[in-house]
Amino acid sequence: KAGVTQTPRYLIKTRGQQVTLSCSPISGHRSVSWYQQTPGQGLQFLFEYFSETQRNKGNFPGRFSGRQFSNSRSEMNVSTLELGDSALYLCASSLDSPDYGYTFGSGTRLTVV
Amino acid sequence: AQTVTQSQPEMSVQEAETVTLSCTYDTSENNYYLFWYKQPPSRQMILVIRQEAYKQQNATENRFSVNFQKAAKSFSLKISDSQLGDTAMYFCAFISQGAQKLVFGQGTRLTINP
Repeated sequence: KAGVTQTPRYLIKTRGQQVTLSCSPISGHRSVSWYQQTPGQGLQFLFEYFSETQRNKGNFPGRFSGRQFSNSRSEMNVSTLELGDSALYLCASSLDSPDYGYTFGSGTRLTVV
Repeated sequence: AQTVTQSQPEMSVQEAETVTLSCTYDTSENNYYLFWYKQPPSRQMILVIRQEAYKQQNATENRFSVNFQKAAKSFSLKISDSQLGDTAMYFCAFISQGAQKLVFGQGTRLTINP
């Protein structure tokens, strides 16, 4: 059974650019969440999608957005990149019940220069 | 708002020893779930063990077990017979029933020495 797949693994962008990250959940999982991981702030929740609808959103500026497609694949987009957006972005999928836990991907390491 | 605190930034033990990682949390909810995740250098967060708050029995998965004290809001992880492959960052996480957002602690870096 394939796990959660995130692409690309690494990304280097320049300040002011925009970036799109992709996440393919485990087959059958309809919930996809995104987290930002930095040394200073730790793991912070960005947003969660279920059946193409955003159900929850963390405290991030509007430059951070996401969407989910009918096949449950999800993308997140960051516009007008800032140096502080450099982080590991993790995607997690679940069956839509927290008691099963969440399965994470290996993340996308974004570096903004 | 829920918070999760891991008071040990780093720990180091010898292979085959037993080690306990601490986690406390704060919530006014009565129904929730607690998890321990492991993040090795490969970066992938791996679920180690989970605990439902409504279950008094402590969860166990092979060498991993928890000590869940609901009244004290404490959720520690015990690793028995530690192995070199246990070297990783360990995160304690909380989620309310019906919620979609995991709240993580700051993590404990565990090193198992040969």
